[in-house]
Amino acid sequence: KAGVTQTPRYLIKTRGQQVTLSCSPISGHRSVSWYQQTPGQGLQFLFEYFSETQRNKGNFPGRFSGRQFSNSRSEMNVSTLELGDSALYLCASSLDSGLGETQYFGPGTRLLVL
Amino acid sequence: GNSVTQMEGPVTLSEEAFLTINCTYTATGYPSLFWYVQYPGEGLQLLLKATKADDKGSNKGFEATYRKETTSFHLEKGSVQVSDSAVYFCALSDTGRRALTFGSGTRLQVQP
Repeated sequence: KAGVTQTPRYLIKTRGQQVTLSCSPISGHRSVSWYQQTPGQGLQFLFEYFSETQRNKGNFPGRFSGRQFSNSRSEMNVSTLELGDSALYLCASSLDSGLGETQYFGPGTRLLVL
Repeated sequence: GNSVTQMEGPVTLSEEAFLTINCTYTATGYPSLFWYVQYPGEGLQLLLKATKADDKGSNKGFEATYRKETTSFHLEKGSVQVSDSAVYFCALSDTGRRALTFGSGTRLQVQP
């Protein structure tokens, strides 16, 4: 079974621009979560989607948004990019993200904001 | 809120040495506990997990036991290999939030 895929793998943007990242979950997985990884803050939860609805949200500004499509694929968008948004963005999928459910991670999209 | 504390790295060991990476947590209720590993340039891979007290997770020679009395989930391996060099993350998920809370990660370097 194919794993979680993320596109693009690398991205360079300038301050003020916006960016859209894509995630395709493992087939049959309905929950998709997004995380930001930076050297300073570590791994932080952004949001989680299930059945096209945001079920949970981390402590990030409104510039960070996401959505999920009927095929469970998900996108996240960051508007008005700031230098501090440079990070590895990881997507994870699970069957239903219940207690103890394993989240399977993709390889990430590395975003550099100049 | 939830939190996970891991020992600072890097941890440098010789091949075949014994490994322990300490992890303690703070959470309400009864969280599930995980160890993930990240190799250079890659995403996170699940190494092992435990969902209730006294459970022992194990995989590829790594083990960790869910200790509720000490709120700990220390990772151990009896004999490390060069290929185990990576960053290891301890994480928890609780009953309320469907989100993983991660520790800061511990870099392991194994020398031949």
